[in-house]
Amino acid sequence: GAVVSQHPSWVICKSGTSVKIECRSLDFQATTMFWYRQFPKQSLMLMATSNEGSKATYEQGVEKDKFLINHASLTLSTLTVTSAHPEDSSFYICSAQGLAGGGEQFFGPGTRLTVL
Amino acid sequence: KQEVTQIPAALSVPEGENLVLNCSFTDSAIYNLQWFRQDPGKGLTSLLLIQSSQREQTSGRLNASLDKSSGRSTLYIAASQPGDSATYLCAAQGGSEKLVFGKGTKLTVNP
Repeated sequence: GAVVSQHPSWVICKSGTSVKIECRSLDFQATTMFWYRQFPKQSLMLMATSNEGSKATYEQGVEKDKFLINHASLTLSTLTVTSAHPEDSSFYICSAQGLAGGGEQFFGPGTRLTVL
Repeated sequence: KQEVTQIPAALSVPEGENLVLNCSFTDSAIYNLQWFRQDPGKGLTSLLLIQSSQREQTSGRLNASLDKSSGRSTLYIAASQPGDSATYLCAAQGGSEKLVFGKGTKLTVNP
């Protein structure tokens, strides 16, 4: 149980284009999903917290207009990187927390984004 | 603001050796502490989760301890194997449910 998937697993795009990454909880309902970014040899940094049906809460320094997050259902959250630039190239990982809340987060396998 | 530090940043040991990875956190008001494993280019695999009311958790050859008062956690790996080679991350979860990660310890177990 508690499986989280991400799609795509990797993506290469041209500078200036937008990329959408999906995060799905496959066997449980997630009221809260988290989006993290990990640069090479660095740790995971939380970008934003999204709750189903409401606006995401972004961490300081993360541009909400650039990283659009939608959490339209209890099993799906999407992250759209708009007008991507090479500096946005990173490993993006989502996690999902079950309805019980306050507990364990289950992580997706990550999406490698490369912007040329 | 919670800060999580992991020492050492890298560790290389011969197969069969027992080892300890260290994690420290600055704010003791945590909800739980988790240890993860990350293989190169991959996502996170949860290893152990210790609730704030617990002192330790065990899973197979892994044992994690938690001392909230001193802001420390350790991950003990017994009889290490080459397959244990990976980066180990610890993360502290506070009341806001946010996870704050350390930078990890890269472990290499040599055959």
